[in-house]
Amino acid sequence: DIVMTQSPDSLAVSLGERATINCRSSQSVLYSSNNKNYLTWYQQKPGQPPKLLIYWASTRESGVPDRFSGSGSGTDFTLTISSLQAEDVAVYYCQQHYNIPFTFGPGTKVDIK
Amino acid sequence: EVQLSESGGGLLQLGGSLRLSCAASGFTFSSYAMSWVRQAPGRRLEWVSVICGGGDTTYYADSVKGRFTISRDNSKNTLYLQMSSLRAEDTAVYYCAKGQSASCYSWDDYWGQGTLVTVSS
Repeated sequence: DIVMTQSPDSLAVSLGERATINCRSSQSVLYSSNNKNYLTWYQQKPGQPPKLLIYWASTRESGVPDRFSGSGSGTDFTLTISSLQAEDVAVYYCQQHYNIPFTFGPGTKVDIK
Repeated sequence: EVQLSESGGGLLQLGGSLRLSCAASGFTFSSYAMSWVRQAPGRRLEWVSVICGGGDTTYYADSVKGRFTISRDNSKNTLYLQMSSLRAEDTAVYYCAKGQSASCYSWDDYWGQGTLVTVSS
């Protein structure tokens, strides 16, 4: 199985400041035939289901604010919230869908400082 | 508008069986892969199973293989998860999710609100 790790476990950021979350996969999730990274980011607020933010590692889902961005390739990925808003308080998960089973990272909790 | 609504959760005893359902609307159900993902209390998301668009191909996490069966009824726009030989570690909120395409390897773009399954001794 591909093991997904995230860092940090949690972070507290002041409103308007940048939040950066890292995700690492135990093997590459870059599919060579289409040069796409099979890496997705989700946001989960308390008591709610996950919400899709980013797919293919860096493509923002329609309707997601542009303060959210994804980057990285192969095994190392980053989710950046450029200017944290109060409504961004949540747990953020990365997931690979390159190999069965489609494993998730442990999540990173983002709070307001 | 895409809507996914899970039902069928409840309190079960160890070794019991249960069938979860997920009613889908707002999209051409048969054309998309559908998944089940679960989340134990305070734990990370855990992928459980996926069925590709068309319904002929299915995949399972090792933790549920041989005990759970995913299926779909495209005429009823409904996804199912038949669960048997339930264990305490199956206790979780079970979410159904819609794939972005018919491919089982697509990401999930919409999620239901989830249904809670509690397995007790």
